[in-house]
Amino acid sequence: GAVVSQHPSRVICKSGTSVKIECRSLDFQATTMFWYRQFPKQSLMLMATSNEGSKATYEQGVEKDKFLINHASLTLSTLTVTSAHPEDSSFYICSARDPGTSPYNEQFFGPGTRLTVL
Amino acid sequence: GNSVTQMEGPVTLSEEAFLTINCTYTATGYPSLFWYVQYPGEGLQLLLKATKADDKGSNKGFEATYRKETTSFHLEKGSVQVSDSAVYFCALSQTSYDKVIFGPGTSLSVIP
Repeated sequence: GAVVSQHPSRVICKSGTSVKIECRSLDFQATTMFWYRQFPKQSLMLMATSNEGSKATYEQGVEKDKFLINHASLTLSTLTVTSAHPEDSSFYICSARDPGTSPYNEQFFGPGTRLTVL
Repeated sequence: GNSVTQMEGPVTLSEEAFLTINCTYTATGYPSLFWYVQYPGEGLQLLLKATKADDKGSNKGFEATYRKETTSFHLEKGSVQVSDSAVYFCALSQTSYDKVIFGPGTSLSVIP
C-alpha cells in the first residue's frame, strides 16, 4: 500500500515556542491530507483537511491561528503548532488518500508525532 | 449525523481464544466500512475493509462482514495471538470526498 511518513516522530519543546510537523506521501500524490489529534487511550479527532494549493478546512472548535496548516505540494503538508502550551501535548497523526488506489476512501496513515510541551 | 459505536474495552483474552469486537454504525446510504489497528506508539494501519452490503473483508485471520440490515461490521478472529495486542478502530466513510469517522477504539490485550 501507499506510504505516508511524518517527521519528527517525537519532539519536546518549551512553552511558547512553535513546532512544525511534516507529513509526506512517499510514493503517490495526495491532493488531500488530513490531520488528527489523539489523546491517550482515546480515538482520533479530525483537526483539519489539508487541500493542496488552497486553504485548509478546519473542524469546529479547532483554532486556525493555533494550528497552521500548509499544503504546498502534492506530497507535503505541514502542521505548525504556534505558541505551544502543555495542553497542546498530544499525538498528532496525518493521513492521505491515494486517489489512484483508494476509491473507497481508504486513508493511509503516518506513524504519528508525539509532541510534549514543557 | 454519521457515527460509529464500538464495544467498550479493554478486552483481555488468552492466546488462541476467539475474538469478537462489535461495531455498529449510523449513516445514510451505503458507506464504506473499515477496521484499523494501532499498535503501541504507532500510527494506524488498515486491517480490512468492505465497500458494499454483504461484503466480507479479511486480512491476517481477521474477518468482518458488512451487514446493512443490522448496520454492523463486527470484527472476528478465530485464534488470537499475543502479537494481536493493539487498539482496534472501526470506521466509516460516506463518499469519495468525505472524511473518515472513527469509533472510540477497543483495546485488546492477549496474554500467553
